[in-house]
Amino acid sequence: GESVGLHLPTLSVQEGDNSIINCAYSNSASDYFIWYKQESGKGPQFIIDIRSNMDKRQGQRVTVLLNKTVKHLSLQIAATQPGDSAVYFCAENPWDQGAQKLVFGQGTRLTINP
Amino acid sequence: DTGVSQNPRHKITKRGQNVTFRCDPISEHNRLYWYRQTLGQGPEFLTYFQNEAQLEKSRLLSDRFSAERPKGSFSTLEIQRTEQGDSAMYLCASSWRTGGTGELFFGEGSRLTVL
Repeated sequence: GESVGLHLPTLSVQEGDNSIINCAYSNSASDYFIWYKQESGKGPQFIIDIRSNMDKRQGQRVTVLLNKTVKHLSLQIAATQPGDSAVYFCAENPWDQGAQKLVFGQGTRLTINP
Repeated sequence: DTGVSQNPRHKITKRGQNVTFRCDPISEHNRLYWYRQTLGQGPEFLTYFQNEAQLEKSRLLSDRFSAERPKGSFSTLEIQRTEQGDSAMYLCASSWRTGGTGELFFGEGSRLTVL
């Protein structure tokens, strides 16, 4: 079946560097995408979202890029800090007009080295 | 704390026993969701409510699972005759949006271990 997936399960970066987390999706009908951050022992925390009529959206220190041609989503985190260490999930909602029955990817663990 | 609250946070039970989890959403939110997350995986949608009405259930939600939201506020998720495969984190989320976009606010989850 169609699913959201991730290219890399782990990513290790130096504090202060920029991080890029990638995600591939296969449902061409998906219209809405979200990045979540999950720290150990906690529930997922919304970071940023993007709709399919956009190719870029910026937040505070984060940028999400959407390439619909190759069905690719990325999360860029600028000037990473120790508090950015977590598992990052991309998620899609193929049912934009309905409920948020999100389809999550497997996750990428981001580790920030001092 | 005005976030989504779930309890118990941890539950260990023997196979065959029944368990119930409770979720208290953010008070002004009319939509409430249940997701399940197994180790190393992303959350999977189980079911959702708009006010007190349960509008959809995933195929993952077998007959042993039942969810309620009797007064449109808190919700319970009951698992009857638990199996080892039910071991997972059960996450509750809420939203004030009625559409398919916008932020879902997740609780910290209820971790179930079935021995």
